[in-house]
Amino acid sequence: GAVVSQHPSWVICKSGTSVKIECRSLDFQATTMFWYRQFPKQSLMLMATSNEGSKATYEQGVEKDKFLINHASLTLSTLTVTSAHPEDSSFYICSARARWASLETQYFGPGTRLLVL
Amino acid sequence: AQSVTQPDIHITVSEGASLELRCNYSYGATPYLFWYVQSPGQGLQLLLKYFSGDTLVQGIKGFEAEFKRSQSSFNLRKPSVHWSDAAEYFCAVGGKAAGNKLTFGGGTRVLVKP
Repeated sequence: GAVVSQHPSWVICKSGTSVKIECRSLDFQATTMFWYRQFPKQSLMLMATSNEGSKATYEQGVEKDKFLINHASLTLSTLTVTSAHPEDSSFYICSARARWASLETQYFGPGTRLLVL
Repeated sequence: AQSVTQPDIHITVSEGASLELRCNYSYGATPYLFWYVQSPGQGLQLLLKYFSGDTLVQGIKGFEAEFKRSQSSFNLRKPSVHWSDAAEYFCAVGGKAAGNKLTFGGGTRVLVKP
């Protein structure tokens, strides 16, 4: 149980285009989902926290107009990178907190690698 | 603000040897501590976690970790490493005081020699 999927796993796009990444909790309802960014050989940095039906809370330094997050249901959150540029190339990982689990437990997706040309 | 330090960027061990990964944290209240493993190009898998109680925590894949409050440490150990343990390991801290957000350490890359 507690499986989180992400789609796509890989995406290559041209500079200036927008890219949408989906994060789904497959077998549980996720009250909260988190979006992280990981640069090569670096740690995960929290970008934003999203709760179902409400606006996402962004970490300091993360442009909310650049990284649009929608948490439309208890099993789906989307991250849209708008007007992507090469510096947005990164590994994006989502995690989900299950309704039944302790608040501290997050289940991670496999990640989406974005390459902006 | 909470923070996590993993002093070792790389560790190389021989297969069958023991492994210890260090993790030091800074947190103003009762910490919740986690160890995750990440294989190349993959997401994170939870190895073990500490919330309270017994300070020696057993996890999956034969890993264990010990919480030492006096040293602000949560080191990960495995008695005998397998080649499949080669991966990146992340220590993380969270808790109610931080809104249950996780802060990750920089990671330790483990290489296993045959």
